[in-house]
Amino acid sequence: QVQLQESGPGLVKPSGTLSLTCGVSGALISSSNWWSWVRQSPGTGLEWIGEIYHSGLTNYNPSLQSRVIISVDKSQNQFSLRLTSVTAADTAVYYCARAPPLYYFDYWGQGRLVTVSS
Amino acid sequence: DIQMTQSPSSLSASVGDSITITCRASQSIRTHLHWYQQKPGQAPKLLIYAASTLQRGVSSKFSGSGSGTDFTLTITSLQPEDFATYYCQQTSSSPRTFGQGTKVEIK
Repeated sequence: QVQLQESGPGLVKPSGTLSLTCGVSGALISSSNWWSWVRQSPGTGLEWIGEIYHSGLTNYNPSLQSRVIISVDKSQNQFSLRLTSVTAADTAVYYCARAPPLYYFDYWGQGRLVTVSS
Repeated sequence: DIQMTQSPSSLSASVGDSITITCRASQSIRTHLHWYQQKPGQAPKLLIYAASTLQRGVSSKFSGSGSGTDFTLTITSLQPEDFATYYCQQTSSSPRTFGQGTKVEIK
């Protein structure tokens, strides 16, 4: 059974850096899947942040590209998100998800609420 | 970016009803269209991928159709556990974009 679990601080100060890690179990991060981050602001819809392949190849949402870095750690079977210069607008539930070659998300983490506040 | 527009934004239905949700893309996405169900406090759950393929383990009461720019999700015989918000998503091109969601409520 594939499982993903987000971890990281739930509170980040404005202008700081949001850092989350997604641990993967039941599947190898080096498999033929992309590994993604999606966020959902309270009461609003879903926004794709970006994705990474085990080779390190990444794709980012242009709306966030200047502030986002997604990285992968094959030895720990996990991948990570860094979002810099955060503001209150970055307050959201952050999900990690697995994307097979057609890029839909078949497995999701439970989500991590990150609040940007001083 | 490809814009995804769902209609309606919300609907009320009774247990046992069948409903259809529509998703329209701002340009052709072939069949790179997927449907998710989300309940409060939970992550989205994949229902349908590639426009019409039922995800393993998902009830056959859910069905999808369409190609190009117009797609539908149909749910038959609504049960209490089906009342949720439904999202479409395109993965034809980056950035992957979602519709705004359709909230299905009990009448």
